[in-house]
Amino acid sequence: DAKTTQPPSMDCAEGRAANLPCNHSTISGNEYVYWYRQIHSQGPQYIIHGLKNNETNEMASLIITEDRKSSTLILPHATLRDTAVYYCIVRVVGSARQLTFGSGTQLTVLP
Amino acid sequence: EAGVAQSPRYKIIEKRQSVAFWCNPISGHATLYWYQQILGQGPKLLIQFQNNGVVDDSQLPKDRFSAERLKGVDSTLKIQPAKLEDSAVYLCASFNKGLAGGPVETQYFGPGTRLLVL
Repeated sequence: DAKTTQPPSMDCAEGRAANLPCNHSTISGNEYVYWYRQIHSQGPQYIIHGLKNNETNEMASLIITEDRKSSTLILPHATLRDTAVYYCIVRVVGSARQLTFGSGTQLTVLP
Repeated sequence: EAGVAQSPRYKIIEKRQSVAFWCNPISGHATLYWYQQILGQGPKLLIQFQNNGVVDDSQLPKDRFSAERLKGVDSTLKIQPAKLEDSAVYLCASFNKGLAGGPVETQYFGPGTRLLVL
């Protein structure tokens, strides 16, 4: 699976959009981009995933660049409960292989 | 839909003692994983099951760790004897290939068991 690079930490004001970047320049055409988050003392929580089109669900939006070498997770109206470590992970389509977690981005939502 | 269940949530033992963790995956999920998460790091895979067979245990310290999934549903992870460096959160996850509802090709994690070895 391709390696990902994320900033170690970010702050965001409550109520504003949080934009979390991820670089995956070696991604292959058959690899999904997944986003998970881990709130303190909880297990990782699935947020969203996509292949090449932008995706949106009730939690977030995922924007993948046309060359697929980077993506941005958008939390449209961040709340204090969104404070967590956010992981960007790349994994082959159709594979049940493990998720390879990096260090992630610590997002702190400030009141 | 019920999530992945794990127990106990917390465990404190002394080094050289043994400990066991239990996991019940989401109904219908054939693939089950155990991850170890050391403080400040992302989770790392210990073992992966497909039904009751082991798919990947290359990162499992087999001299002290063992895991089983006898009936292809719930699973236990055991450490015997425990070392100080085994202090971590042990996470169980299961994988939805698309048959059990929800987003396809997605891993769902339990709350984890926090182990402290003294």
